[in-house]
Amino acid sequence: GAVVSQHPSWVICKSGTSVKIECRSLDFQATTMFWYRQFPKQSLMLMATSNEGSKATYEQGVEKDKFLINHASLTLSTLTVTSAHPEDSSFYICSASGQRYGEQYFGPGTRLTVT
Amino acid sequence: GESVGLHLPTLSVQEGDNSIINCAYSNSASDYFIWYKQESGKGPQFIIDIRSNMDKRQGQRVTVLLNKTVKHLSLQIAATQPGDSAVYFCAENMGSGYALNFGKGTSLLVTP
Repeated sequence: GAVVSQHPSWVICKSGTSVKIECRSLDFQATTMFWYRQFPKQSLMLMATSNEGSKATYEQGVEKDKFLINHASLTLSTLTVTSAHPEDSSFYICSASGQRYGEQYFGPGTRLTVT
Repeated sequence: GESVGLHLPTLSVQEGDNSIINCAYSNSASDYFIWYKQESGKGPQFIIDIRSNMDKRQGQRVTVLLNKTVKHLSLQIAATQPGDSAVYFCAENMGSGYALNFGKGTSLLVTP
């Protein structure tokens, strides 16, 4: 089956530093990947849509200069949280479009804690 | 799905009973709907999906019902087990290449 991995699974960083999160489709190619953020006891909120070889499309209210997304290949998208602050602490989840109509495969998520 | 809420509603059921989790969606143009299960600290896990040209679809112990007239989706879990305890999200989609719009989720707690 289609598997999406994320690395790291959790990370703790100091305020002001940058953190990169990787999202990989392990056994399929994903033209489109999505990045979501989830706060405790809340739903997933879309941050951006990432298409291979082009600039990401960010949702309203998501700062593109703070959350840098790169989708350089059909199997890898990265999210870099720049100058992280405690309010950026969250669970970041990526997904990749599958072959089946409308289907998306989710990664296991990355827990980011900014101290 | 509905806009993100601040707290998850909780459904508590006894082991062996049937569970029904409801969801209202917002976009009448959505034509694909999915139910996901999310355990603590993990990513969403696909349960069952349904296209807008159907009103019912059954899987193993799960059934999804779609009422497009009132934009309502439900997930029925038969003979609920302790392992079913998790947060359940509905999601709507306009098709391939589009992001999912998630509902606010329901926390299911199965008691012995």
